[in-house]
Amino acid sequence: AQSVTQPDIHITVSEGASLELRCNYSYGATPYLFWYVQSPGQGLQLLLKYFSGDTLVQGIKGFEAEFKRSQSSFNLRKPSVHWSDAAEYFCAALGVNAGNMLTFGGGTRLMVKP
Amino acid sequence: DAGVTQSPTHLIKTRGQHVTLRCSPISGHKSVSWYQQVLGQGPQFIFQYYEKEERGRGNFPDRFSARQFPNYSSELNVNALLLGDSALYLCASSPRSQASLYEQYFGPGTRLTVT
Repeated sequence: AQSVTQPDIHITVSEGASLELRCNYSYGATPYLFWYVQSPGQGLQLLLKYFSGDTLVQGIKGFEAEFKRSQSSFNLRKPSVHWSDAAEYFCAALGVNAGNMLTFGGGTRLMVKP
Repeated sequence: DAGVTQSPTHLIKTRGQHVTLRCSPISGHKSVSWYQQVLGQGPQFIFQYYEKEERGRGNFPDRFSARQFPNYSSELNVNALLLGDSALYLCASSPRSQASLYEQYFGPGTRLTVT
């Protein structure tokens, strides 16, 4: 079965520290990959997406993600975290020809210490 | 331009009742998708509609149904509510039916509580 796994339920980092959120996928063929952020009371906002080509993808708000086919991973990174980055982060995958049917991971809640 | 809007914001229903949730997509967007997000979990795909036709259905019982209107707004209906239906229901719109080509924009959701 197709699935997306985010191994870390909660992560706490200090403001200014670097961040890496993990995401692993299990699909028959390499899916399209996405990272979304959800702040309390808000909908989901797309941070970045990977379809093909360069395995290092740049997104909004200073985020980037690296696709590693050999590890079936698509980890999200940020060099320096700001307090406003505290939110829930979701990795999602879309199978080829799957329309808009995104499969989401369970999410990682990021807390930022001052 | 206004984003995706959903109504109501919050809703409390009793087991066995019926509920209708509404979604208005971004102007010009013809595709609407519905997701259920149970507390502490990621969203799960329920339905996709494009040009008023169902284009995808997730693994949900027949108690869940949806439709899309000529103005591309959409309704999600849930019959015979169960406690487990308590969740945040998210609507997403996009210009076309392929999320690989067009970004989906999510609304703020409707928080449904079933007691």
